Amino acid sequence: GENVEQHPSTLSVQEGDSAVIKCTYSDSASNYFPWYKQELGKRPQLIIDIRSNVGEKKDQRIAVTLNKTAKHFSLHITETQPEDSAVYFCAASVVPNDYKLSFGAGTTVTVRA
Amino acid sequence: DTGVSQDPRHKITKRGQNVTFRCDPISEHNRLYWYRQTLGQGPEFLTYFQNEAQLEKSRLLSDRFSAERPKGSFSTLEIQRTEQGDSAMYLCASSLGGGPQHFGDGTRLSIL
Repeated sequence: GENVEQHPSTLSVQEGDSAVIKCTYSDSASNYFPWYKQELGKRPQLIIDIRSNVGEKKDQRIAVTLNKTAKHFSLHITETQPEDSAVYFCAASVVPNDYKLSFGAGTTVTVRA
Repeated sequence: DTGVSQDPRHKITKRGQNVTFRCDPISEHNRLYWYRQTLGQGPEFLTYFQNEAQLEKSRLLSDRFSAERPKGSFSTLEIQRTEQGDSAMYLCASSLGGGPQHFGDGTRLSIL
């Protein structure tokens, strides 16, 4: 099955700086890569996703890049704010054959004011 | 529509008891998923439904676990003869076809 590895496990940044989280996946058939943000005691919330037919996607301060050859994808958060503090999870799946998500272990991001 | 809802939010039970959780997906979503999340880990896939059909079950889902989605709307997840290792957050998600999965707040299960 798919194996997703995520690094780093914790990340502390100064407010206003950028944060980068990297994930690698093992199944070359994976073609859909969402990112979820989970605040303490709350549901995982989808913040951005990318499909394998594009290399980069941006939504305001958040961007995701995908390198299919190397089988890795990254989340970039620019101009970080205290409300960006949360646990971020990357995931991978194969659509339309198999919709289940395989998640990374998560990155705890702390934005220092 | 307020999204995916799960009930109860918390469940405390003694080892050996049976528990049942409920998930109500977003109304027009035809796919429903169950995941389990333990502290410090990402969610792990358990099973999913397309309408009322259960299409896949993870090896994590032992024979003590059963899930149903009888009318293609809400779903239940039952755990029989609970064990300490069943303590976790049980998350439900739904999607419209192959679209993004939206999660509920989860049911936190604690086994005494």
